[in-house]
Amino acid sequence: RKEVEQDPGPFNVPEGATVAFNCTYSNSASQSFFWYRQDCRKEPKLLMSVYSSGNEDGRFTAQLNRASQYISLLIRDSKLSDSATYLCVVNPTSSTLGRLYFGRGTQLTVWP
Amino acid sequence: NAGVTQTPKFRVLKTGQSMTLLCAQDMNHEYMYWYRQDPGMGLRLIHYSVGEGTTAKGEVPDGYNVSRLKKQNFLLGLESAAPSQTSVYFCASSKETATNEKLFFGSGTQLSVL
Repeated sequence: RKEVEQDPGPFNVPEGATVAFNCTYSNSASQSFFWYRQDCRKEPKLLMSVYSSGNEDGRFTAQLNRASQYISLLIRDSKLSDSATYLCVVNPTSSTLGRLYFGRGTQLTVWP
Repeated sequence: NAGVTQTPKFRVLKTGQSMTLLCAQDMNHEYMYWYRQDPGMGLRLIHYSVGEGTTAKGEVPDGYNVSRLKKQNFLLGLESAAPSQTSVYFCASSKETATNEKLFFGSGTQLSVL
């Protein structure tokens, strides 16, 4: 079983829609969770960290469900500029320096 | 402020050739990483470094070597390239361990091995 699994999509939504992605992780001891955004043929960039209590940054909300071992990303009022691939990233344990595990990404296309 | 710079951006090699990818960061970061990204797969860690003069193996280290002689530079070497090493390579750095800190990525190197 992979450390991190994501539905690759694609998700195609109209502007203004709300869309949610989930990501499951296999190691219950996982400590840190992130969402990165990657535009086509570009480098990944940190979108937001995911905290146990959940966190919000403008139109983006990230949540962690430890019992079910998944994290989610909710995008409200989608913009054309949100079109990208969203990468779920997990640190499987606290002791493995540098060993972040990346999901293969969920592709989102927002159409006008 | 350039951030993380990778060179070259594109390269085509023949099987058996060697090459070195250079990564340079100007943010005085301790940690540096090399990842590869293949279609349908997540980024996979090849090697990483927690400081000048140190290196460690990641998830897929076979066929690659690295060096961190200077804090700002992290080199990835392919001694004898194979078609399986065709991929997009990303270098990244972070101030502290990436498990808690933001990763800054370079713009990537597209490598094709024929």
